[in-house]
Amino acid sequence: GDSVTQMEGPVTLSEEAFLTINCTYTATGYPSLFWYVQYPGEGLQLLLKATKADDKGSNKGFEATYRKETTSFHLEKGSVQVSDSAVYFCALSKRDSNYQLIWGAGTKLIIKP
Amino acid sequence: EPEVTQTPSHQVTQMGQEVILRCVPISNHLYFYWYRQILGQKVEFLVSFYNNEISEKSEIFDDQFSVERPDGSNFTLKIRSTKLEDSAMYFCASSEANGGTGSPLHFGNGTRLTVT
Repeated sequence: GDSVTQMEGPVTLSEEAFLTINCTYTATGYPSLFWYVQYPGEGLQLLLKATKADDKGSNKGFEATYRKETTSFHLEKGSVQVSDSAVYFCALSKRDSNYQLIWGAGTKLIIKP
Repeated sequence: EPEVTQTPSHQVTQMGQEVILRCVPISNHLYFYWYRQILGQKVEFLVSFYNNEISEKSEIFDDQFSVERPDGSNFTLKIRSTKLEDSAMYFCASSEANGGTGSPLHFGNGTRLTVT
C-alpha cells in the first residue's frame, strides 16, 4: 500500500546551519506531496506542497522538490533559526482515495542558538 | 486568517463512557476530516465527510465512531464506548476542495483524549 518514510529524529542543528529532512514515498499513480509542521502546543500547519513531478514547493525559506525518479520529497532550508524548532511531517494524498492523507512518522527538529 | 477550532483541548474520560469531540471548520470549506495520533505513532486517517455524508473511512473508524454536522458549523466526532486504546490526539481538519486534488488541509490544534 501507499506509504511515507521519513528520517528519524530528533535532528539537532545549530542556528544558521543547513537543513535536510529526507522523505521518500511509495504510491501508485501520481500523488500530491506535502510537508506539514507542528510547533509546540499547536496543530498541524501546511508548510508547502507539490502536486506533480518536478514541482518545487517553497515557503518561509523551506523548499522541497517532487522527484518522481527517486520517489522523494526532501525538505531543505539554507539557514535555520531557533524558531524553526518543531516536528515536520511529510505526507501524500492518495489518488485512488480523494480524501485521505498518508503520513510519515514525523521528524523532530531542534535548533540550538 | 481563518482557522479550525477544536474543543476541548484535553478530555479525560473513563473506559466505556461516550465522548464527543467538537470542531468548527473554516466557514467556506466543504470537506471535513478527523485524524488521530497515538502518542509516539504516525498520524492516522479516521474519516472524511462531504455533502453531509461520510466520503471515506478507515478500518479504525468502526461502529464505535460516528461523525455529525449538526448545525452547519460544528463537526463532531463521537466515540460511543471508549477504550483505553482510544487515548490519542484527535485532529479535525477542513479543506476547500477535495484533498486528493492537492487542496491543502487546515488542521485544528487537536483534542488530547485520555481514557482511564
